[in-house]
Amino acid sequence: EPEVTQTPSHQVTQMGQEVILRCVPISNHLYFYWYRQILGQKVEFLVSFYNNEISEKSEIFDDQFSVERPDGSNFTLKIRSTKLEDSAMYFCASSEAKGGIRGYTFGSGTRLTVV
Amino acid sequence: GDSVTQMEGPVTLSEEAFLTINCTYTATGYPSLFWYVQYPGEGLQLLLKATKADDKGSNKGFEATYRKETTSFHLEKGSVQVSDSAVYFCALSDQSTDKLIFGTGTRLQVFP
Repeated sequence: EPEVTQTPSHQVTQMGQEVILRCVPISNHLYFYWYRQILGQKVEFLVSFYNNEISEKSEIFDDQFSVERPDGSNFTLKIRSTKLEDSAMYFCASSEAKGGIRGYTFGSGTRLTVV
Repeated sequence: GDSVTQMEGPVTLSEEAFLTINCTYTATGYPSLFWYVQYPGEGLQLLLKATKADDKGSNKGFEATYRKETTSFHLEKGSVQVSDSAVYFCALSDQSTDKLIFGTGTRLQVFP
């Protein structure tokens, strides 16, 4: 079964550093997403991406965050100048169709720890 | 705005017991509804979904029926196993916004 692949699975970074979280969506999917889950809390939407541009972003997704699809397969989330409160599990997802009618497929997540 | 409310956990059951996890939603349009499961240390896996009223999603013995009149999508399983121990998330998506809105998650613990 096709998978969404995320790397690394765990990243530890110092406060103030930049991190890049990587995702390889399912190859025939056109819609890409990032979500995050702070430990013990609900999963929150960050951003959706289609046709090489951001479709929608939440209020969490401020200027500290950016997304990019640098080539035909990768989808990245960059966090500039990380803060302690950025520590969370970050999930990438992809979908064949808008609105999830055919479902969203999530990766296994990257656990980001900011120290 | 759209929202999802699910019952607080943890839900603690003995093996072979009947499971219900309640989920209700608020949405202005006609959302698709989902249940995702998160096993310990793992990511989110789609368990089942329903895209319109009266649809029943089912998978691995779990079922949920999209009830528009009660705005609910309760998860049920007739006989749980220890391996079903996980956190279960109810979620909705609306085609106009194309994002998932999750409930807070319900932890299920099944003991032998």
